[in-house]
Amino acid sequence: SQQGEEDPQALSIQEGENATMNCSYKTSINNLQWYRQNSGRGLVHLILIRSNEREKHSGRLRVTLDTSKKSSSLLITASRAADTASYFCVHGGGSNYKLTFGKGTLLTVNP
Amino acid sequence: DGGITQSPKYLFRKEGQNVTLSCEQNLNHDAMYWYRQDPGQGLRLIYYSQIVNDFQKGDIAEGYSVSREKKESFPLTVTSAQKNPTAFYLCASSITGNEQFFGPGTRLTVL
Repeated sequence: SQQGEEDPQALSIQEGENATMNCSYKTSINNLQWYRQNSGRGLVHLILIRSNEREKHSGRLRVTLDTSKKSSSLLITASRAADTASYFCVHGGGSNYKLTFGKGTLLTVNP
Repeated sequence: DGGITQSPKYLFRKEGQNVTLSCEQNLNHDAMYWYRQDPGQGLRLIYYSQIVNDFQKGDIAEGYSVSREKKESFPLTVTSAQKNPTAFYLCASSITGNEQFFGPGTRLTVL
């Protein structure tokens, strides 16, 4: 399997705190994406970082990518209860269109 | 409103029956995908289609079939050959092989 691995599998924090999720992968990549899934719903694309980028921001999200360590991290700052969801690190795509999903990190933000 | 829709939201099937899950998109995307998600797991690719009248097997195609007669539609049939069909099924579409847009999902239960 070429699945990415998210760490931790579950994370529980208080509203207002920052949440950091990590991801490792095994193959070389062109880009890496993060998706969010609220319970029992479809996935929503959050951010894409290309292999030649080291850091990218989008609102309260900050993603880093270290291709030498084959790892990425997603930081959510000033978390809100509405951020409660599963977060997936995803790689692949490009010309062969196939994305590889990890098992995700379940984030719970307590009000 | 542009988007991707799946129906039904919940589906119950008796053992030995075939069932078809609907997926429609009005985003004018060429590529469409079907995924299966089991509890606490990431997504696994069943089938994908990069263009009308063409589709490829994903990682777990056995027991499933698809068609792509129209750009907007990519129905998935779960056949009686699929031995463990109870799962959450997600359809997605994309312009390129990167960011994918997901439908709300169909939860299939075998009685």
